[in-house]
Formats: sequence, structure tokens, C-alpha cells
Amino acid sequence: SQTIHQWPATLVQPVGSPLSLECTVEGTSNPNLYWYRQAAGRGLQLLFYSVGIGQISSEVPQNLSASRPQDRQFILSSKKLLLSDSGFYLCAWSARTWDSRGNSPLHFGNGTRLTVT
Amino acid sequence: EDQVTQSPEALRLQEGESSSLNCSYTVSGLRGLFWYRQDPGKGPEFLFTLYSAGEEKEKERLKATLTKKESFLHITAPKPEDSATYLCAVQVLVYNQGGKLIFGQGTELSVKP
Repeated sequence: SQTIHQWPATLVQPVGSPLSLECTVEGTSNPNLYWYRQAAGRGLQLLFYSVGIGQISSEVPQNLSASRPQDRQFILSSKKLLLSDSGFYLCAWSARTWDSRGNSPLHFGNGTRLTVT
Repeated sequence: EDQVTQSPEALRLQEGESSSLNCSYTVSGLRGLFWYRQDPGKGPEFLFTLYSAGEEKEKERLKATLTKKESFLHITAPKPEDSATYLCAVQVLVYNQGGKLIFGQGTELSVKP
């Protein structure tokens, strides 16, 4: 069965410090990978998605970046954190092979709670 | 602009009191509508996919239905363990770029014993 791992679970970082969040998927090949952010009391906002190694699409301009150095590894980074970067960061994967109706559910990790102080 | 709106924002029920959550959407090129359950401090857990108007899916006390403009999540005789935030999302297929999910703000359900 497929599993998705995110770490760390919680992180407190000062403003201006760098960030690196990592996500790995097991039990599947060539997944689509996603980074979402969830602010308190709000829905999920798509930040980045990737359909293959080195292929990153950005949805929202910001001081964050993403990389996919391996097929099942997705990394979210920042060179200098802002207070507004605080939130709940979720990694997700979906199968590259669509079902007969062209759908593939996203499956989420348990997230990283980031607090920028 | 693609948009998903959920109502109510919060819902408090007594155990056994049935109710419904609403998800309305305006998107171009709908590829599917998804319901997720999210417990505090956890990632969303996939519940259902609905593809076309008239379709229904059931899981234990939950039943999801879909029309051309909205979806309902019906909760029959809820129990305290059903307490969670329920998220609705629509999938827009981007050619050769995977399917992006657009989420609503969620409905926070609380079931009291």
C-alpha cells in the first residue's frame, strides 16, 4: 500500500531563517506531487505541483520554492522566512494513471505546523 | 474564476440528529468532486469521489450526492466520532499536468453526546 511521510511535524523558526520541509511517498511510482498550505480557519491553498522529476509548477507567487530531486521526494524551501509563512503545510500525492473517468484522488500526509516568530 | 463554497462554516449537532453539509461550485471543466474529512492537526482523509450529476456514494453514516452546481454530504444519526472538519474539493484537469484540487473552506462539525 502507498504511504506518504512528511517531516518535521512541527517547526518554530525565526523570521529571516531558511526553511526545508521534506515529503516522501512509498509504494507507488511516478506520482503527481503537491504542496498545499492551510491557514487557520481557511481552506487549502495549492502552492506547487509536480508531474515529474525537476518539473515544478508554481500556483502562487511567494518567497517559497519547491524541488523534486527524486521521483518520490518533494521538498519545500525558503531562503528567508516571513511571518506570513506561518501555517499548516501539507504534502499530497496522486496517481499518474487516471481512472477511466479522468480522476485521481489526492492523498495527504499529516502535515507540518510551521510557526514563524 | 473557479470557486468552491461550503456552508455552513460550523455545525453543532446532538448525537443522532441527522443533517446535511453543502458544497456549491462554479468551475470550468469539472473532472470530479471530492469529499475529505480532516481531524485537528492531521491531513485530510479521502472519503468520496463523485463524477456526474445524480451520482451518490455512501460510507457508514455518510452519503454524498451531486447535482450540476452543488454537492451534499448527508450525515445520518451522527456519533461524536464523526466530529471533524469536512472539506469539499473540485478537480480541474490540466492537460499533462495532473489534476489540481480547488478546496472549499470546510465545515466544522461537532457532534455532542
